[in-house]
Order: sequence, then structure tokens, then C-alpha cells
Amino acid sequence: NAGVTQTPKFQVLKTGQSMTLQCAQDMNHNSMYWYRQDPGMGLRLIYYSASEGTTDKGEVPNGYNVSRLNKREFSLRLESAAPSQTSVYFCATSQDRGSYGYTFGSGTRLTVV
Amino acid sequence: GNSVTQMEGPVTLSEEAFLTINCTYTATGYPSLFWYVQYPGEGLQLLLKATKADDKGSNKGFEATYRKETTSFHLEKGSVQVSDSAVYFCALAKMDSNYQLIWGAGTKLIIKP
Repeated sequence: NAGVTQTPKFQVLKTGQSMTLQCAQDMNHNSMYWYRQDPGMGLRLIYYSASEGTTDKGEVPNGYNVSRLNKREFSLRLESAAPSQTSVYFCATSQDRGSYGYTFGSGTRLTVV
Repeated sequence: GNSVTQMEGPVTLSEEAFLTINCTYTATGYPSLFWYVQYPGEGLQLLLKATKADDKGSNKGFEATYRKETTSFHLEKGSVQVSDSAVYFCALAKMDSNYQLIWGAGTKLIIKP
């Protein structure tokens, strides 16, 4: 099925460990986004990539890095995980930079202990 | 700056009741407006959208009208079902902000049989 695929779905990390969240889309969309969702705080943008080869910081980029590997893939890396990064992470894509809305993946639930 | 304000939840209704979830926004110019729905354990799905004043977005029995005079985009449904239980997010996007979405905090809807 066409859409946005995130891996893994669940992950538990120890403080200080690193990991990469993967996102792949087969919708041929130009723009890709990483959000985190925390209770009571809605969705907050971490990083985005308006097109292949470009990335920009969002509202809460500290502690994260991203790579737009090609048009299909956009990864999010936590170099040294902290308990404050416990959250649900969503990848999203859009055509025309979002004027018609975003398509979301099903999320990665990350717990840092 | 741009912002979106939604009514706080949870909103609890009986099946077949009329639903209204209020959403107001602050923005200059003419943003596009969206409603997204998030079912338990899933990512967000675009429910409906409107791109200019007086537009009405509709989908799955839900409707919302873009009211520029009151800066509102309230979500309505005439007869809710248990399957409508979810979290609903209002959002806006502006061309001059690269169409990045500004999100409301979300409203949890609970429908009782």
C-alpha cells in the first residue's frame, strides 16, 4: 500500500545510547517532516526537508540530527538519548510543501530509561 | 504570530448526538485550514481542508467552514458514532511560512453507546 513507513514501531533505549529512526515514503512527495508528540503538548516539529538535498531545523531540533538520504527516505538520529526524548515520533510527507495537507506514518514510540 | 486554539477536551457525547469542536486561529493573510484525526495507536489522517474564505471542507459526515470574519474553522457532525472516538487536531498552513503546519493542541472525543 502506498504511504509512509516508519521503523521501528517501538524502542526502549538507555540514557546515552544512540539510534536512528527510519522513514520511507512511496508517494513521490518532495517534502518530509519529523514531529514529536507529547501528552498535552500537541505536535512539535523537529526537522523538515523541503526537498531532496535540503534540511532545516524546526521548533525543537536540539538533541537530534537528520539525513535526507534520497527523495524517499528521511532519517532521524538521536546521538545520545535522554529521558526528555521519550515521546512518540511521527514522520510526515507533503507535496507542494504542505498546501494540500500532510500524510503521516504510524509513529515510533520511544522510551528512554 | 500564527496560532491555533482548540476547545479543551475531552468531549464526551452519546451516540447520534450533534458534534461541534471549536477551532479559532490567528494569522495574517489567508492561511489554509485543516482538520486531522488520530485514532488510538495510529498516526494522524487528514480529515478535511479548506483553502479560502467561505470554503466548506467535508468528509465522512464531518464538515467545517472557513470563516474569515470570525477566524474560525469549527468541526461539526450531525450524528456521531462510537467509531468517531479519536483525537481531532485543527491546523493552519501559510505559504510564507513554507506551508509548515501550525497545530492546535488536539481535542479528545469520546462517544458512548
